[in-house]
Amino acid sequence: DTGVSQDPRHKITKRGQNVTFRCDPISEHNRLYWYRQTLGQGPEFLTYFQNEAQLEKSRLLSDRFSAERPKGSFSTLEIQRTEQGDSAMYLCASSQGSPVEETQYFGPGTRLLVL
Amino acid sequence: QKEVEQNSGPLSVPEGAIASLNCTYSDRGSQSFFWYRQYSGKSPELIMFIYSNGDKEDGRFTAQLNKASQYVSLLIRDSQPSDSATYLCAVTGAGRRALTFGSGTRLQVQP
Repeated sequence: DTGVSQDPRHKITKRGQNVTFRCDPISEHNRLYWYRQTLGQGPEFLTYFQNEAQLEKSRLLSDRFSAERPKGSFSTLEIQRTEQGDSAMYLCASSQGSPVEETQYFGPGTRLLVL
Repeated sequence: QKEVEQNSGPLSVPEGAIASLNCTYSDRGSQSFFWYRQYSGKSPELIMFIYSNGDKEDGRFTAQLNKASQYVSLLIRDSQPSDSATYLCAVTGAGRRALTFGSGTRLQVQP
Protein backbone atom coordinates (compact mmCIF):
# COMPACT_ATOMS: atom_id res chain seq x y z
CA ASP A 1 0.00 0.00 0.00
CA THR A 2 1.62 3.27 -1.10
CA GLY A 3 -0.87 5.62 0.61
CA VAL A 4 -0.50 7.67 3.77
CA SER A 5 -0.28 5.52 6.88
CA GLN A 6 -0.89 6.45 10.50
CA ASP A 7 -0.15 4.66 13.75
CA PRO A 8 -1.85 3.85 16.03
CA ARG A 9 -5.34 3.78 14.56
CA HIS A 10 -6.95 4.05 17.96
CA LYS A 11 -5.68 5.36 21.30
CA ILE A 12 -7.42 5.49 24.65
CA THR A 13 -5.65 7.40 27.38
CA LYS A 14 -6.33 8.95 30.72
CA ARG A 15 -6.44 12.69 31.22
CA GLY A 16 -3.00 14.09 31.95
CA GLN A 17 -1.08 11.43 30.03
CA ASN A 18 1.11 12.16 27.01
CA VAL A 19 0.40 10.56 23.63
CA THR A 20 2.36 10.43 20.38
CA PHE A 21 1.06 9.68 16.91
CA ARG A 22 3.04 8.81 13.82
CA CYS A 23 2.36 9.56 10.16
CA ASP A 24 4.17 8.13 7.14
CA PRO A 25 3.38 10.13 3.99
CA ILE A 26 3.29 8.98 0.39
CA SER A 27 6.98 8.51 -0.37
CA GLU A 28 7.48 11.17 -3.03
CA HIS A 29 5.42 13.84 -1.24
CA ASN A 30 7.41 16.63 0.37
CA ARG A 31 4.56 18.29 2.27
CA LEU A 32 2.85 16.81 5.29
CA TYR A 33 -0.16 18.17 7.14
CA TRP A 34 -1.88 17.46 10.46
CA TYR A 35 -5.59 18.11 10.98
CA ARG A 36 -8.03 17.37 13.79
CA GLN A 37 -11.65 16.41 13.27
CA THR A 38 -14.43 16.23 15.85
CA LEU A 39 -17.84 14.67 15.33
CA GLY A 40 -20.04 16.56 12.91
CA GLN A 41 -17.30 18.97 11.87
CA GLY A 42 -14.87 19.16 8.99
CA PRO A 43 -11.15 18.67 9.64
CA GLU A 44 -9.36 21.66 11.19
CA PHE A 45 -5.79 22.48 10.23
CA LEU A 46 -3.14 22.12 12.92
CA THR A 47 0.27 22.39 11.24
CA TYR A 48 2.25 21.55 8.13
CA PHE A 49 5.78 20.71 7.06
CA GLN A 50 7.64 21.13 3.84
CA ASN A 51 10.42 18.58 4.03
CA GLU A 52 11.68 18.93 7.61
CA ALA A 53 10.68 22.59 8.07
CA GLN A 54 7.49 23.37 10.00
CA LEU A 55 6.09 26.26 7.95
CA GLU A 56 2.74 27.01 9.55
CA LYS A 57 1.00 26.35 12.85
CA SER A 58 -2.64 27.04 13.64
CA ARG A 59 -3.57 28.94 16.78
CA LEU A 60 -5.46 25.72 17.61
CA LEU A 61 -2.05 24.17 18.25
CA SER A 62 -1.60 25.01 21.93
CA ASP A 63 1.76 24.66 23.65
CA ARG A 64 0.73 21.15 24.74
CA PHE A 65 0.97 20.07 21.09
CA SER A 66 4.25 19.59 19.28
CA ALA A 67 5.00 18.14 15.88
CA GLU A 68 8.23 17.09 14.24
CA ARG A 69 9.40 15.76 10.92
CA PRO A 70 13.07 15.20 11.64
CA LYS A 71 14.33 13.85 8.33
CA GLY A 72 11.62 15.10 6.05
CA SER A 73 9.98 11.69 5.90
CA PHE A 74 7.66 10.53 8.70
CA SER A 75 6.18 12.93 11.24
CA THR A 76 5.11 12.68 14.86
CA LEU A 77 2.46 14.66 16.72
CA GLU A 78 2.72 14.68 20.50
CA ILE A 79 0.06 15.89 22.90
CA GLN A 80 1.24 16.48 26.45
CA ARG A 81 -1.04 16.48 29.50
CA THR A 82 -4.04 15.37 27.49
CA GLU A 83 -7.45 16.85 28.23
CA GLN A 84 -10.90 15.45 27.46
CA GLY A 85 -11.31 18.16 24.84
CA ASP A 86 -8.43 16.60 22.89
CA SER A 87 -10.63 13.62 22.02
CA ALA A 88 -10.90 13.68 18.24
CA MET A 89 -9.72 12.04 15.04
CA TYR A 90 -6.21 13.19 14.17
CA LEU A 91 -5.64 13.13 10.44
CA CYS A 92 -2.42 13.32 8.49
CA ALA A 93 -2.28 14.27 4.83
CA SER A 94 0.56 14.53 2.34
CA SER A 95 0.93 16.33 -0.95
CA GLN A 96 3.21 17.67 -3.64
CA GLY A 97 2.81 20.06 -6.53
CA SER A 98 2.32 23.76 -7.19
CA PRO A 99 0.20 25.85 -4.79
CA VAL A 100 -2.78 25.96 -7.11
CA GLU A 101 -2.76 22.33 -8.23
CA GLU A 102 -1.62 20.75 -4.97
CA THR A 103 -3.90 17.98 -3.72
CA GLN A 104 -3.77 16.51 -0.25
CA TYR A 105 -4.32 12.82 0.39
CA PHE A 106 -5.38 11.72 3.82
CA GLY A 107 -4.30 8.78 5.90
CA PRO A 108 -6.79 6.63 7.85
CA GLY A 109 -6.50 8.78 10.97
CA THR A 110 -5.81 8.13 14.64
CA ARG A 111 -8.88 8.21 16.84
CA LEU A 112 -8.03 9.52 20.32
CA LEU A 113 -10.28 9.11 23.34
CA VAL A 114 -9.25 10.86 26.55
CA LEU A 115 -11.00 9.53 29.64
CA GLN B 1 -19.78 33.88 9.30
CA LYS B 2 -17.92 30.63 8.72
CA GLU B 3 -15.20 30.68 6.09
CA VAL B 4 -16.69 27.71 4.23
CA GLU B 5 -20.39 26.98 4.54
CA GLN B 6 -22.34 23.88 3.59
CA ASN B 7 -25.85 22.75 4.30
CA SER B 8 -25.53 19.89 6.77
CA GLY B 9 -28.39 17.92 5.21
CA PRO B 10 -29.27 15.19 5.02
CA LEU B 11 -29.87 15.52 1.32
CA SER B 12 -31.95 12.57 0.21
CA VAL B 13 -32.16 11.55 -3.46
CA PRO B 14 -33.48 8.41 -5.15
CA GLU B 15 -31.10 6.00 -6.83
CA GLY B 16 -30.29 7.13 -10.36
CA ALA B 17 -31.05 10.81 -9.71
CA ILE B 18 -28.66 13.75 -9.79
CA ALA B 19 -27.40 14.90 -6.39
CA SER B 20 -26.42 18.57 -6.14
CA LEU B 21 -24.17 19.65 -3.28
CA ASN B 22 -23.37 23.29 -2.67
CA CYS B 23 -20.68 25.25 -0.86
CA THR B 24 -20.03 28.97 -0.36
CA TYR B 25 -16.81 30.56 0.85
CA SER B 26 -16.01 33.95 2.30
CA ASP B 27 -12.39 34.59 1.24
CA ARG B 28 -12.32 36.17 -2.21
CA GLY B 29 -8.65 35.27 -2.47
CA SER B 30 -9.35 31.54 -2.29
CA GLN B 31 -7.43 29.74 -5.00
CA SER B 32 -8.27 26.06 -5.14
CA PHE B 33 -11.41 24.16 -4.28
CA PHE B 34 -11.78 20.53 -3.32
CA TRP B 35 -14.50 17.99 -2.75
CA TYR B 36 -13.82 15.10 -0.40
CA ARG B 37 -16.10 12.18 0.41
CA GLN B 38 -16.10 10.78 3.94
CA TYR B 39 -17.81 7.58 4.96
CA SER B 40 -18.78 7.24 8.60
CA GLY B 41 -15.74 6.47 10.74
CA LYS B 42 -13.33 6.80 7.82
CA SER B 43 -10.97 9.52 6.64
CA PRO B 44 -11.72 11.98 3.80
CA GLU B 45 -11.17 10.71 0.28
CA LEU B 46 -10.45 13.18 -2.53
CA ILE B 47 -13.06 13.23 -5.29
CA MET B 48 -12.18 16.31 -7.34
CA PHE B 49 -10.48 19.66 -7.30
CA ILE B 50 -11.10 22.76 -9.39
CA TYR B 51 -9.35 26.11 -9.59
CA SER B 52 -10.74 27.79 -12.72
CA ASN B 53 -14.22 29.21 -13.19
CA GLY B 54 -16.57 26.85 -14.98
CA ASP B 55 -17.21 23.14 -14.94
CA LYS B 56 -14.88 20.19 -14.54
CA GLU B 57 -16.11 16.67 -15.17
CA ASP B 58 -14.71 13.35 -13.96
CA GLY B 59 -16.89 10.34 -14.61
CA ARG B 60 -20.20 10.77 -12.77
CA PHE B 61 -18.91 13.84 -10.92
CA THR B 62 -18.96 17.47 -12.07
CA ALA B 63 -17.50 20.32 -10.06
CA GLN B 64 -18.69 23.83 -10.80
CA LEU B 65 -16.91 27.00 -9.68
CA ASN B 66 -18.18 30.57 -9.76
CA LYS B 67 -15.60 32.86 -8.16
CA ALA B 68 -17.72 36.00 -8.62
CA SER B 69 -20.48 34.45 -6.52
CA GLN B 70 -17.98 32.63 -4.24
CA TYR B 71 -19.78 29.41 -4.87
CA VAL B 72 -18.66 25.89 -5.69
CA SER B 73 -20.87 22.88 -6.28
CA LEU B 74 -20.60 19.16 -6.90
CA LEU B 75 -23.05 17.26 -9.08
CA ILE B 76 -23.26 13.48 -8.85
CA ARG B 77 -25.05 11.90 -11.78
CA ASP B 78 -26.73 8.49 -11.61
CA SER B 79 -26.46 8.47 -7.81
CA GLN B 80 -25.87 5.07 -6.23
CA PRO B 81 -26.52 3.90 -2.65
CA SER B 82 -22.72 3.60 -2.32
CA ASP B 83 -22.53 7.39 -2.79
CA SER B 84 -24.24 7.81 0.59
CA ALA B 85 -21.64 9.65 2.66
CA THR B 86 -20.71 13.08 3.96
CA TYR B 87 -19.28 15.39 1.30
CA LEU B 88 -16.75 17.95 2.49
CA CYS B 89 -15.96 21.13 0.61
CA ALA B 90 -12.47 22.56 1.21
CA VAL B 91 -10.63 25.63 -0.04
CA THR B 92 -7.11 27.01 0.05
CA GLY B 93 -6.65 30.72 0.74
CA ALA B 94 -4.36 33.09 -1.08
CA GLY B 95 -0.77 32.21 -0.30
CA ARG B 96 -1.78 29.37 2.01
CA ARG B 97 -1.55 25.64 1.52
CA ALA B 98 -3.70 24.52 4.44
CA LEU B 99 -7.23 23.41 3.63
CA THR B 100 -10.20 25.11 5.26
CA PHE B 101 -13.15 22.73 5.38
CA GLY B 102 -16.86 23.17 5.64
CA SER B 103 -18.79 20.99 8.06
CA GLY B 104 -19.99 18.72 5.27
CA THR B 105 -23.29 17.73 3.71
CA ARG B 106 -24.67 14.27 4.43
CA LEU B 107 -26.03 12.61 1.29
CA GLN B 108 -28.44 9.69 1.41
CA VAL B 109 -29.21 7.81 -1.81
CA GLN B 110 -32.39 5.80 -1.44
CA PRO B 111 -32.47 2.43 -3.31
